[in-house]
Amino acid sequence: AQSVTQPDIHITVSEGASLELRCNYSYGATPYLFWYVQSPGQGLQLLLKYFSGDTLVQGIKGFEAEFKRSQSSFNLRKPSVHWSDAAEYFCAVGAPRGSTLGRLYFGRGTQLTVWP
Amino acid sequence: ETGVTQTPRHLVMGMTNKKSLKCEQHLGHNAMYWYKQSAKKPLELMFVYNFKEQTENNSVPSRFSPECPNSSHLFLHLHTLQPEDSALYLCASSQGGGISFFGSGTQLSVL
Repeated sequence: AQSVTQPDIHITVSEGASLELRCNYSYGATPYLFWYVQSPGQGLQLLLKYFSGDTLVQGIKGFEAEFKRSQSSFNLRKPSVHWSDAAEYFCAVGAPRGSTLGRLYFGRGTQLTVWP
Repeated sequence: ETGVTQTPRHLVMGMTNKKSLKCEQHLGHNAMYWYKQSAKKPLELMFVYNFKEQTENNSVPSRFSPECPNSSHLFLHLHTLQPEDSALYLCASSQGGGISFFGSGTQLSVL
């Protein structure tokens, strides 16, 4: 069965520190992979995606993520966190083809707090 | 602005009321989705529509009734809801298996 695990429910970092948010997935084949960010009371905004090709993908707001097939992981990183990055981050997987095309499976999210 | 607009942003309703949530996408996508986001739970996919046809109903109670009159509009009709139905309801659209774009959601409170 498809599933996404974000092992860290809450992470606190100081402004300017580096950040890594973990994501592991279980899927029958190589899925499409996504990271979304959500501010309180808002919808989800796409940070970056992986469909194929280069396993290191760049996104908006200085974020990047690396797909590691051997570890079934798609961790999100940022070298220097800004206070405005405080939000909830969701990892998601989607089917590249077939009857469940377009359907996303989400992790439970990681709440990021940034100390000034 | 993601190109997906949801109204209303906030809704308070009693358990005997009937209300509707509206979603409109201006992206030319062929698929639309309803998700439910409750506190401390993962996002739950409720319904999927492709080319106006419902292709997935994720065991959603019948007190939630979706409607998709065309590829740009999606409604969620609500009736006799329970307090546990209070949540943020998110609409999304995509072109096939591509990126899903989300609306800002409707924060629903059932009293």
